[in-house]
Amino acid sequence: ETGVTQTPRHLVMGMTNKKSLKCEQHLGHNAMYWYKQSAKKPLELMFVYSLEERVENNSVPSRFSPECPNSSHLFLHLHTLQPEDSALYLCASSQDQGGYEQYFGPGTRLTVT
Amino acid sequence: GENVEQHPSTLSVQEGDSAVIKCTYSDSASNYFPWYKQELGKGPQLIIDIRSNVGEKKDQRIAVTLNKTAKHFSLHITETQPEDSAVYFCAASNGENYGQNFVFGPGTRLSVLP
Repeated sequence: ETGVTQTPRHLVMGMTNKKSLKCEQHLGHNAMYWYKQSAKKPLELMFVYSLEERVENNSVPSRFSPECPNSSHLFLHLHTLQPEDSALYLCASSQDQGGYEQYFGPGTRLTVT
Repeated sequence: GENVEQHPSTLSVQEGDSAVIKCTYSDSASNYFPWYKQELGKGPQLIIDIRSNVGEKKDQRIAVTLNKTAKHFSLHITETQPEDSAVYFCAASNGENYGQNFVFGPGTRLSVLP
C-alpha cells in the first residue's frame, strides 16, 4: 500500500460515454500527476498539479480533462475517447514539486470500445 | 529533451544469482535517478533512487550505481528471489518544470527462475 488510491480499478466505456477517474493520496504531498501506460511504450506524463495549480501539458488531447479540487484529490474526466486511449492510467504524488520521489497508485485499467 | 534507454528488455536469472539492469540518459542536467518495480496488476513501486551527488547507494539486496561522466546508471539485485520477478523501470529527471522533465525508460522484464 503506497498511500495513493485509485477508483475504479477497471473501466469499460463506449466512445460516446463520459466517465471520471479518481485518485486520492493520503501522504500529505504537494504535487499530483496523471500518467498513461500503454503496452510496449514508456510511461507518459499527462498532467501535473503542483499546490493544486495545473501545469499545462499541451500534448494531451482535450478529451482528457484533469481536475484537482484540493491537494489530496485528483480527477481525470474522460469524454469521446478513442479505442487507442485504452491503457492503464496511473496517478502519482510527491512531496517535492520537482517530481522527485513519486509514489504511484495501482492504476485504472481503461478499455474503450 | 531527456531520452532514457534501458537494457536489456528482458532478463532471466536463476534464483540466487545476481541481476543487473542498465540505463543511459541524454540530459547532462539530470540529477535524480529512481528505479521502480511494477508487479502484475499493480502500479510502479519506488524501490531505490540516487541523486547526482553520490555514486552508489545500497538497500539490502538492491544497489544503484551512477556514472555521471558516461551518463549511465545501473540497478543491481543480488541473491535474487522469485518475488523479484517483475518489470523494472528506470527514470531520470532534472527536477525542473514541476516534474515535467521526469522521463521513464521502456522497462526490463525480470524473471527469476526457481
